[in-house]
Amino acid sequence: QQQVKQSPQSLIVQKGGISIINCAYENTAFDYFPWYQQFPGKGPALLIAIRPDVSEKKEGRFTISFNKSAKQFSLHIMDSQPGDSATYFCAASMGYGNKLVFGAGTILRVKS
Amino acid sequence: AAGVIQSPRHLIKEKRETATLKCYPIPRHDTVYWYQQGPGQDPQFLISFYEKMQSDKGSIPDRFSAQQFSDYHSELNMSSLELGDSALYFCASSPRTGLAEAPGSYNEQFFGPGTRLTVL
Repeated sequence: QQQVKQSPQSLIVQKGGISIINCAYENTAFDYFPWYQQFPGKGPALLIAIRPDVSEKKEGRFTISFNKSAKQFSLHIMDSQPGDSATYFCAASMGYGNKLVFGAGTILRVKS
Repeated sequence: AAGVIQSPRHLIKEKRETATLKCYPIPRHDTVYWYQQGPGQDPQFLISFYEKMQSDKGSIPDRFSAQQFSDYHSELNMSSLELGDSALYFCASSPRTGLAEAPGSYNEQFFGPGTRLTVL
């Protein structure tokens, strides 16, 4: 049973468009929500992360929106580029130094 | 910047053989995590260590064992390998005791490049 539910499974976006990936969780003890980007055969790379006391965090073209009451968070990639084509994982953890629980992943393809 | 180092990068073994995967965390990171990722799947947590002690255990088979050494590197030992053990194995590290040095770095885990294990 996936503790963090991620959608969509795959996404095709035109170059310059906005890519939006959504995640939902049930465990209210989760207190850290990162997003990872993974290219084939490579390790997941930390993109951006948020804590529940913040509703939005922006770093460059990447923005996390967090809705604590709905137990949902999303990743927005602005001005999507072909180089953004990768698999994106949301994740959650509870407490410092604890394991990450991942969503099932979203395969993003940005068409040029 | 220094990253997590894993070795070997690729490993091919026969069924029932043993394998040892090594992980060298980012300098000054004292917590190490192991994850297994099957084809087309998300990473699944196996085990973690903090200050050389096991801190958490996930869905790790009894055939697997791991430890963290005094220099903080970690090794994952896998015995009686099965075809289903073929996967990417990632090590991640985080600076649990370094929060004061890096405010906002709460539970940031940095992944290595992985070891691709193929069991034939």
